[in-house]
Amino acid sequence: DTEVTQTPKHLVMGMTNKKSLKCEQHMGHRAMYWYKQKAKKPPELMFVYSYEKLSINESVPSRFSPECPNSSLLNLHLHALQPEDSALYLCASSQGGGYSGNTIYFGEGSWLTVV
Amino acid sequence: LAKTTQPISMDSYEGQEVNITCSHNNIATNDYITWYQQFPSQGPRFIIQGYKTKVTNEVASLFIPADRKSSTLSLPRVSLSDTAVYYCLVGPNAGNNRKLIWGLGTSLAVNP
Repeated sequence: DTEVTQTPKHLVMGMTNKKSLKCEQHMGHRAMYWYKQKAKKPPELMFVYSYEKLSINESVPSRFSPECPNSSLLNLHLHALQPEDSALYLCASSQGGGYSGNTIYFGEGSWLTVV
Repeated sequence: LAKTTQPISMDSYEGQEVNITCSHNNIATNDYITWYQQFPSQGPRFIIQGYKTKVTNEVASLFIPADRKSSTLSLPRVSLSDTAVYYCLVGPNAGNNRKLIWGLGTSLAVNP
């Protein structure tokens, strides 16, 4: 069982909607990540938060807006998305930070469909 | 920049040992090799990590030759539940600004 919890598991949204993906971990990890995964591809890093501060943004479009309210929570706010943004969005955490940060623990993901 | 290359797919049968090899010719001195397993509709799950020689845990072994330009994930006596995609990653273990490099994944099918 994963110790990184993501909600919702499935989300369908229109291109003019505003929605949020939520992630929670209780392992005391200091780094949290958002990844995007398309079918039959490896996960692609989007954002890294280290000690609740955004440390890495992989040139992600501004229609994706991350937020880290505290060390256990990570949100991804979505606005004006495009159909090509449909994918599995994975939250992850690790003890360390930066790009690597030791072993990375993933949640089960949120399946996003943009219509 | 390091790049990892692994077979796209492999087939096996229950009870067999499966070896998946990953090539990483440009691995850096302080890079580690990590393998993740991913089932459909789930996030990747850590399997094993190593730097050199051999590492073994309760689910797999990782063999890394002295030149570290490749590595082999060994799954002993696979079962149907081992059917999944296996990713090879190369990158620093901690505290570095270089990105983890993911392979494209090996889709393992275990047949009865």
